[in-house]
Order: sequence, then structure tokens, then C-alpha cells
Amino acid sequence: ETGVTQTPRHLVMGMTNKKSLKCEQHLGHNAMYWYKQSAKKPLELMFVYNFKEQTENNSVPSRFSPECPNSSHLFLHLHTLQPEDSALYLCASSQEGRRTEAFFGQGTRLTVV
Amino acid sequence: AQSVAQPEDQVNVAEGNPLTVKCTYSVSGNPYLFWYVQYPNRGLQFLLKYITGDNLVKGSYGFEAEFNKSQTSFHLKKPSALVSDSALYFCAVRDGSGSQGNLIFGKGTKLSVKP
Repeated sequence: ETGVTQTPRHLVMGMTNKKSLKCEQHLGHNAMYWYKQSAKKPLELMFVYNFKEQTENNSVPSRFSPECPNSSHLFLHLHTLQPEDSALYLCASSQEGRRTEAFFGQGTRLTVV
Repeated sequence: AQSVAQPEDQVNVAEGNPLTVKCTYSVSGNPYLFWYVQYPNRGLQFLLKYITGDNLVKGSYGFEAEFNKSQTSFHLKKPSALVSDSALYFCAVRDGSGSQGNLIFGKGTKLSVKP
């Protein structure tokens, strides 16, 4: 148990559906991240929030919409996804500073049909 | 731009033998380096990090890593491998963006330990 909880663990959705992924951290961290992990590809950093402010958006398509209502919660809203968006979506959090490691949730396995 | 390279897609080791998983990095400024492990269908777990000081860093589950500035490497090692060490291993570096930098990961190395 890393202190970062993601729900749901598995999600199957159609291309016209709207769904949301949730992440919650109980570590008192002030930075939160979304990563995408696809088979045979490096982890892709999608979004970064510091103190609830979005500081990074790595050219992610608008069908992915993040939300960070407070420093403990992070959401990823999904809308009209494509089959190639099927992947493991990982949330992480860290304390501010370059010397700090990030702690990851167990991920949401997303399948788009 | 900061980056890490893991030159091996897979490493195969017999149980009880020493293991090494390789990582090289490219950074401007001081390197902040990390190793993570991922078991099937799980998130990444932090193993160890190098920030400054002693070049040999000890971490979880008996793993250690050696920082070598001249070779820009940060290889992960363990003196005696266990079957349960079989997993995917990621090297990471903090890049220079913003106030804290973002964790940039290598593509991962699959470690297979056979009995």
C-alpha cells in the first residue's frame, strides 16, 4: 500500500461513453501526476498538478480532461476515446522538490471498445 | 533535455546469481536518479534514489545502485537474485522543468529470474 489509491482498477468503455478515473493520496503531498503506460512504450507523462494548479500538459488530446479540486484528489475525465487509448493509467504523487520520489497508485486498466 | 536509457529489454538471471540492470542518463546540472519496480498489473514501487553523497545507494529488497558520474550510469544491482525479483524495472531522472522537475522514465527492463 503506497498511500495512493486509484479507482476503478478496471474499466471497459465504448467510444461514445463518458467516464472518470479517480485518484486519492493520503500522504500530504502537493504534486500529483497522470501517466499513461501502453504495451511496449515508455511511460508517458500526461499531466502535472502542483498545489492544485496544472503545470504540465504534454500535448495530450482534449478527449482527456484532468481535474484537481484539492491537493489530495485528482481526476481524469474521459470522453469519446479511441481504441488506441486503451492502456494502464497511473496516478502518482510527490512532495515538492527535485530530491523527492513519487509514489504510484496501482493503476486503472482501461479498455476502449 | 534530460533522459534515461535502459539498453536491455530483458535480463535473464539464475536464482542465487548476482544481477545487474543497466541505466545511463543525460542531464544538465545535478542528476537526481531513481529506480522503480513494477509487478504485473500493479503500479510502480520506489526502490531507491541517488541525490548526492555516497555513490553506492542501498534500497528496498536488498537492491543497490551505483552512481558513476564519468560514465553517466546508474546501474541497479543485487548480490543474489530471487525468483520473486522477476518484474519490470524502470530507471528515472528528474528533468529541469518547473520548480521541481518531472520524473522521466526509461522504457523499462524485464528481469526474469529462473530457479
